[in-house]
Amino acid sequence: EAQVTQNPRYLITVTGKKLTVTCSQNMNHEYMSWYRQDPGLGLRQIYYSMNVEVTDKGDVPEGYKVSRKEKRNFPLILESPSPNQTSLYFCASSFRAVPAYEQYFGPGTRLTVT
Amino acid sequence: GNSVTQMEGPVTLSEEAFLTINCTYTATGYPSLFWYVQYPGEGLQLLLKATKADDKGSNKGFEATYRKETTSFHLEKGSVQVSDSAVYFCALSNSNNQGGKLIFGQGTELSVKP
Repeated sequence: EAQVTQNPRYLITVTGKKLTVTCSQNMNHEYMSWYRQDPGLGLRQIYYSMNVEVTDKGDVPEGYKVSRKEKRNFPLILESPSPNQTSLYFCASSFRAVPAYEQYFGPGTRLTVT
Repeated sequence: GNSVTQMEGPVTLSEEAFLTINCTYTATGYPSLFWYVQYPGEGLQLLLKATKADDKGSNKGFEATYRKETTSFHLEKGSVQVSDSAVYFCALSNSNNQGGKLIFGQGTELSVKP
């Protein structure tokens, strides 16, 4: 089954404790992206990757890091989480980074930073 | 810049009622337009899309027409069901903006009562 998986689905952590949210897709997609969803703001892009070893900042990259060492994986790293990073996070992928391709979303990771 | 504005929710309708969710956009050039749906506890799924002016996207009884003259992409359904209860996001993607990043509206929550 074609899918995007994320782990963990739920995470409660404390300020400053490094964490990684994993994202994996099995569709051989070139383009992958991370979004955060906050009430009243819709989804905003954090980072994206056009292909292996090619990553770039989205609209809200502060406090986050990513890497793309393999085509299927695109982990999101919070080196020193803060309470304003409490949010619902989605990973997405698409065949290529051209506008009309459908993006497939993972089920989401709900992160709470206390 | 590029932006999407959609009507605020929540929208509450009775089963079999007519649905309209308004969406307008600001963009340079010729963006692609999308409606994504998020069912409770799940990630976003593509509902329909349109890639050029006057295109009509349709799926599962939902329709939206790409109107360049009014910069709109309103979502409609003639007869809603309880199972349509979800959050609906209008989005655009523009080739001149970070290689296909999706720019979302804030989302409209729809609740359909039996």
